[in-house]
Amino acid sequence: QVQLQESGPGLVKPSETLSLTCTVSGYSISSGYYWGWIRQSPEKGLEWIGSIYRSGDTYYNPSLKSRVTISVDTSKNQFSLRLSSVTAADTAVYYCARGNWILPPLQPPRADFDYWGQGTLVTVSS
Amino acid sequence: DIQMTQSPSTLSASVGDRVTITCRASQSISSWLAWYQQKPGKAPNLLIYMASSLESGVPSRFSGSGSGTEFTLTISSLQPDDFATYYCQQYNSYSWTFGQGTKVEIK
Repeated sequence: QVQLQESGPGLVKPSETLSLTCTVSGYSISSGYYWGWIRQSPEKGLEWIGSIYRSGDTYYNPSLKSRVTISVDTSKNQFSLRLSSVTAADTAVYYCARGNWILPPLQPPRADFDYWGQGTLVTVSS
Repeated sequence: DIQMTQSPSTLSASVGDRVTITCRASQSISSWLAWYQQKPGKAPNLLIYMASSLESGVPSRFSGSGSGTEFTLTISSLQPDDFATYYCQQYNSYSWTFGQGTKVEIK
């Protein structure tokens, strides 16, 4: 059974960098799939932050791209999120998730998230 | 950016009702549409992908349809476990966005 678990500080000061790690069990990141970060707040709802492949190829939400870095450590079966220069607007529950991203001509095509972590609340406050 | 608009925002229904939720995209996304169910304090759970494909393990009372800009999620006979919030999610050009959600509550 694939399981994901987020970890990291629950409180970050404004202007600092938010750092979270997702540990995957039951599946090896090296075997495939994309791995993503998604956040949820009452103000913005669900918001995709970015995704990474085992090779290190990354894709970011254009609205966050200048502040986001996602990395992968296949030896630890983990991937991580760094979000710089945070403000109160970055307060949210942060989820990590496994991404199914299969584009034609590969089959079956799909682009969704099938396994999610439980989520971790990160509050930006001084 | 492609915007996703769900309607209604809230839906009141009874056990056994047929329920339909609509999701509209601001431009055509072909069939690159997924549906999720979320319960309070939990992560979203994938129900439908590619507009109409049922994810493994999801009850057959859930179905999806549509293509282009208009999509629907239907629950054929609402069960007590189905009271939750439902989200659509689109993919286009290396970017994913979600709808604002539809809360299905007990009538």
